[in-house]
Amino acid sequence: EPEVTQTPSHQVTQMGQEVILRCVPISNHLYFYWYRQILGQKVEFLVSFYNNEISEKSEIFDDQFSVERPDGSNFTLKIRSTKLEDSAMYFCASSTKKGAHEQYFGPGTRLTVT
Amino acid sequence: GNSVTQMEGPVTLSEEAFLTINCTYTATGYPSLFWYVQYPGEGLQLLLKATKADDKGSNKGFEATYRKETTSFHLEKGSVQVSDSAVYFCALSDSATGYSTLTFGKGTMLLVSP
Repeated sequence: EPEVTQTPSHQVTQMGQEVILRCVPISNHLYFYWYRQILGQKVEFLVSFYNNEISEKSEIFDDQFSVERPDGSNFTLKIRSTKLEDSAMYFCASSTKKGAHEQYFGPGTRLTVT
Repeated sequence: GNSVTQMEGPVTLSEEAFLTINCTYTATGYPSLFWYVQYPGEGLQLLLKATKADDKGSNKGFEATYRKETTSFHLEKGSVQVSDSAVYFCALSDSATGYSTLTFGKGTMLLVSP
């Protein structure tokens, strides 16, 4: 069964460093998403992406964040200058349709900023 | 704004016990409601959904009924198994706030012992 994959599973970085989290969505999906979950808190929407541009973004997704689909398979989330409060589990998701109904999630990348 | 509130975990049950995980929501429009499950080391998987009031979603013995009058979507299962041990997330999508956005609860961990 097709699945969303994410790498790495765990990333440790120092404050102020840039990180890139990688996702490979399901191959025939057209809509891509990033969510995050800070330990002990809710899963929060960050951004959605379709047709090589951002469709929606939350107020969390500020200028420090960017997304890119550099080729036909990868979907990346970049954090330019990490802060301690960026430490969280980051989930990628993809879907064939617009809307929340059939989003398929990856296993997540745990980002630890020290 | 939209929000989802779930009962605090962990919920600890013996095999074959009855399960209820409470979920209530606040939404500005007419949301669709979801339960996602996360097994250890895996991504979030859609368990069931309901798109309008009085709909009942069901899958793998789990069910939940969309109750508009009480703004609730409680998850139930008549007889849990050890393999049901996971974290369960209640979520909503609200067309008034954007089709892509899923708003999640904090998640409830379920532990089932033999």
